Amino acid sequence: GEDVEQSLFLSVREGDSSVINCTYTDSSSTYLYWYKQEPGAGLQLLTYIFSNMDMKQDQRLTVLLNKKDKHLSLRIADTQTGDSAIYFCAESWNNQGGKLIFGQGTELSVKP
Amino acid sequence: ETGVTQTPRHLVMGMTNKKSLKCEQHLGHNAMYWYKQSAKKPLELMFVYSLEERVENNSVPSRFSPECPNSSHLFLHLHTLQPEDSALYLCASSQETGTNGGEQFFGPGTRLTVL
Repeated sequence: GEDVEQSLFLSVREGDSSVINCTYTDSSSTYLYWYKQEPGAGLQLLTYIFSNMDMKQDQRLTVLLNKKDKHLSLRIADTQTGDSAIYFCAESWNNQGGKLIFGQGTELSVKP
Repeated sequence: ETGVTQTPRHLVMGMTNKKSLKCEQHLGHNAMYWYKQSAKKPLELMFVYSLEERVENNSVPSRFSPECPNSSHLFLHLHTLQPEDSALYLCASSQETGTNGGEQFFGPGTRLTVL
């Protein structure tokens, strides 16, 4: 079945790197995503990675995918207080009509 | 207006009321979605519409009734809800439901409280 797991909380100091982890069960997924949700707002797509890639970098964000271990991570370099939010990983499949399966979300708290 | 808008932002209703949630996307997308976000649970996909046709109904109770009159508008009609239906209801859109269907743009949500 489809299941996506994340740890619920992460706390870091401003300027440090944050690493948010995610594990998933269905290795046939096509894309894996990271979404960000700030208080009182909807989800915002941060980045995504195609399942045949190992790594994707986009400015302060680095996504690592270990397909063998079904493990996805999001590294935020030089974390700022504005990065405090809930981060969701999600997976999708080519043949399942836009269906996204989300993890529970990791609440990132950045302390000054 | 830009992006995806939802109205109302907050709604309190009794179990016998009938209300509707509205979503509008200004992105020219062909697919729209309803999600339910409850505390401490992953987002639950409720419905998917592609080119105004429902393509996914994720075992949602019949007290939730979606309507998609055109590709820019999506409604969720609510009637005889239960207190456990209290949640944040999020609308999203994407260009299509195929390869890039996971690149979804979300509205801010409607916070629903059922008394």
